[in-house]
Amino acid sequence: SYELTQPPSVSVSPGQTARITCSADALPKQYAYWYQQKPGQAPVLVIYKDSERPSGIPERFSGSSSGTTVTLTISGVQAEDEADYYCQSADSSGSWVFGGGTKLTVL
Amino acid sequence: QVTLRESGPALVKPTQTLTLTCTFSGFSLSTSGMCVSWIRQPPGKALEWLALIDWDDDKYYSTSLKTRLTISKDTSKNQVVLTMTNMDPVDTATYYCARIIRSGGYYDGFDYWGQGTLVTVSS
Repeated sequence: SYELTQPPSVSVSPGQTARITCSADALPKQYAYWYQQKPGQAPVLVIYKDSERPSGIPERFSGSSSGTTVTLTISGVQAEDEADYYCQSADSSGSWVFGGGTKLTVL
Repeated sequence: QVTLRESGPALVKPTQTLTLTCTFSGFSLSTSGMCVSWIRQPPGKALEWLALIDWDDDKYYSTSLKTRLTISKDTSKNQVVLTMTNMDPVDTATYYCARIIRSGGYYDGFDYWGQGTLVTVSS
């Protein structure tokens, strides 16, 4: 089955840039989506179609894609960005998959 | 204003069938492109996609759970129902419903989520 692999954790200091990767185990890769989830809350969509940002999401959140790897970049990380981040994509049959999640710690 | 709300039992016994209802407002599932999905999250673990139903009544299921899942919609009531058979303690999780829009042949991401409902499977 289709799998998405994320690093379990990423740590950065405030003001630095955080990069969270998500690797697919097979081609072709569909569009990727990124969600932010804070403790006790539902996930929030922060990036869709690899690099599009929904309205209301700060410009410091950006997404990129290269081959079978997509990357969520948070520039100028703020304390409020500390959360779990999940990537998501779909396989060719229309079955959606989430990555295992990455805990972003702001030091 | 788009809202979604999950409802259903907080506790089910092993082998029972779980029925969850997602009641939504602010959009219609009869509108082209509209879809609703179910996602779950065991305590302390990652999100897991379960099923999706679209405006045209097409249905998609998780490969690993498809034999246990059924998704349906009642457009007149603005509701989507998920049933999961043969519940097991490992199915203990918070169950979310979420909206997603399909446009131009692609999806725009799960843009609105319910607050989730915790379902515990225990005898």
